[in-house]
Amino acid sequence: EPEVTQTPSHQVTQMGQEVILRCVPISNHLYFYWYRQILGQKVEFLVSFYNNEISEKSEIFDDQFSVERPDGSNFTLKIRSTKLEDSAMYFCASSDLGTPFTDTQYFGPGTRLTVL
Amino acid sequence: KQEVTQIPAALSVPEGENLVLNCSFTDSAIYNLQWFRQDPGKGLTSLLLIQSSQREQTSGRLNASLDKSSGRSTLYIAASQPGDSATYLCAVRGVGGSYIPTFGRGTSLIVHP
Repeated sequence: EPEVTQTPSHQVTQMGQEVILRCVPISNHLYFYWYRQILGQKVEFLVSFYNNEISEKSEIFDDQFSVERPDGSNFTLKIRSTKLEDSAMYFCASSDLGTPFTDTQYFGPGTRLTVL
Repeated sequence: KQEVTQIPAALSVPEGENLVLNCSFTDSAIYNLQWFRQDPGKGLTSLLLIQSSQREQTSGRLNASLDKSSGRSTLYIAASQPGDSATYLCAVRGVGGSYIPTFGRGTSLIVHP
């Protein structure tokens, strides 16, 4: 069964460094999403992406964050200058046709980001 | 601003029991509601998606109901099994131009043999 994959599974970085989290969505999906979950907290939406542009973003997704689909398979989340409070599990998700969020989203296993 | 609350926060039951997990939301103008399962250290798995026009959805031993007017959804798990042990999350998506989902904190379920 097709699945969303994410790399790396765990990323440790120093405060102020740039990180890129990578995701490979399910191949025929059109919508892509990033979420984060700080340890012990709720899952929070970051951004949705469709047709090579951001369709929605939350207030968390500030200028330090960016997303890109550099080729036909990868979807990346970049954090330019990491802060301690960026430490969290980051989940990528994708969904099929229809308007955003009307269809079931399939989540990857997550990347645990630790900022020291 | 939408607020989503899940009760109980944790539940421990013997195998075979029928369970009800609750999700309540403050703004009844929703687009849809989705129930997820999250295993420790893992991503989310979608269980059921209920559109705002629907009253319930069923999948195997799972049944989710939606009552928009009262701002409530319930997830019913029949004949629970140890493999059902996980955290169950509900997420609500609003209307009015933004489909950003709001998640609850989840119900942590342990089913012991």
